[in-house]
Amino acid sequence: ILNVEQSPQSLHVQEGDSTNFTCSFPSSNFYALHWYRWETAKSPEALFVMTLNGDEKKKGRISATLNTKEGYSYLYIKGSQPEDSATYLCASILFSGGYNKLIFGAGTRLAVHP
Amino acid sequence: DAGVTQSPTHLIKTRGQHVTLRCSPISGHKSVSWYQQVLGQGPQFIFQYYEKEERGRGNFPDRFSARQFPNYSSELNVNALLLGDSALYLCASSLTGYQPQHFGDGTRLSIL
Repeated sequence: ILNVEQSPQSLHVQEGDSTNFTCSFPSSNFYALHWYRWETAKSPEALFVMTLNGDEKKKGRISATLNTKEGYSYLYIKGSQPEDSATYLCASILFSGGYNKLIFGAGTRLAVHP
Repeated sequence: DAGVTQSPTHLIKTRGQHVTLRCSPISGHKSVSWYQQVLGQGPQFIFQYYEKEERGRGNFPDRFSARQFPNYSSELNVNALLLGDSALYLCASSLTGYQPQHFGDGTRLSIL
């Protein structure tokens, strides 16, 4: 069974707090890891694509790291703002037998309070 | 440029019926993927098509099928609908399937 696990399930922080969440994925047949932000009433929006062990990506106040050997990725938000409130999804792309499987985690729901 | 468009936006069906959902990818994108999302869970991968060929398949029964047309648009078909098929169905496109997915707004399917 191939599972992508995200923790915590939900998070409430105050404006200005820094926060981080975890994505755990199967390390075998790994091809890539994607992070998405999904705001209410909108469609998911890609944040990062990560492929190499040790990868670190940054976009403004948001950054992510990748460890493919142990099968985890961290997403960090520095100085959270109310507009960061959303569900953050990670998805692992596994390549096996000529086929892709894109497996999403259940997401971390972040609420940033002013 | 237009984003990924899906139709219809909402649909109500009864058990046993079949349904066809449609998706038009971003211009230039050759890969289309379909996902099912139920409340409290992440999107569940159903299919991926690239250049009109099936490239990926999730753990869904044979009642689910899809195809991709020469213009790269795609249809998802579900036969013999069950109550448990009620969900948001998302379509996403990308250049080759490995790049970030660009999602449509989804089709909300309700089964009565």
